Amino acid sequence: GAGVSQSPSNKVTEKGKDVELRCDPISGHTALYWYRQSLGQGLEFLIYFQGNSAPDKSGLPSDRFSAERTGGSVSTLTIQRTQQEDSAVYLCASSLAPPNTEAFFGQGTRLTVV
Amino acid sequence: QKEVEQNSGPLSVPEGAIASLNCTYSDRGSQSFFWYRQYSGKSPELIMFIYSNGDKEDGRFTAQLNRASQYISLLIRDSKLSDSATYLCAVDPTGFGNEKLTFGTGTRLTIIP
Repeated sequence: GAGVSQSPSNKVTEKGKDVELRCDPISGHTALYWYRQSLGQGLEFLIYFQGNSAPDKSGLPSDRFSAERTGGSVSTLTIQRTQQEDSAVYLCASSLAPPNTEAFFGQGTRLTVV
Repeated sequence: QKEVEQNSGPLSVPEGAIASLNCTYSDRGSQSFFWYRQYSGKSPELIMFIYSNGDKEDGRFTAQLNRASQYISLLIRDSKLSDSATYLCAVDPTGFGNEKLTFGTGTRLTIIP
């Protein structure tokens, strides 16, 4: 596709429910990142994929968070038993293989846990 | 812990003046450096990248890298109202994509009419 695509763009869920957020990176981009951004805050790193493997999961806040990437393309971020503090914009970014590592962002999924 | 630090601002600059945004990084071996602009409610968009020590110019924007001081900056000349945004610097530790990009928390820039 022309850019990084994320869905849904907005998600309102009840506390305790599970949610899945989807990221479709730019075609051919091998690196994929998930970030979280709370209102007025900076980017919080969650997880990084190179191909289908995740060499860095250090940013996942708890074991309620997990992510996978299949076929070196689409990635899904899953949040189980959502809490109100999970409310944020979840951003996905992708980049080409090194050394062209500039990352391009999707428009994000705004998650609201009520 | 590899860190990237920015002054959160807000930084206010008169229209037409030069805006100077700064960022420091902790990992001396870092290879690639990026500046992103984020408008309120929007996603970050890449505006410049720099790999080599010195200056890189692109239109009204100049990125500067000083490896000895572990310091990068972004200069915006002839500031316009549309330059009002949060500016994020990002560092790629290896340049090989094996480690994650690390972002600063961003500097909020306001251009004053």
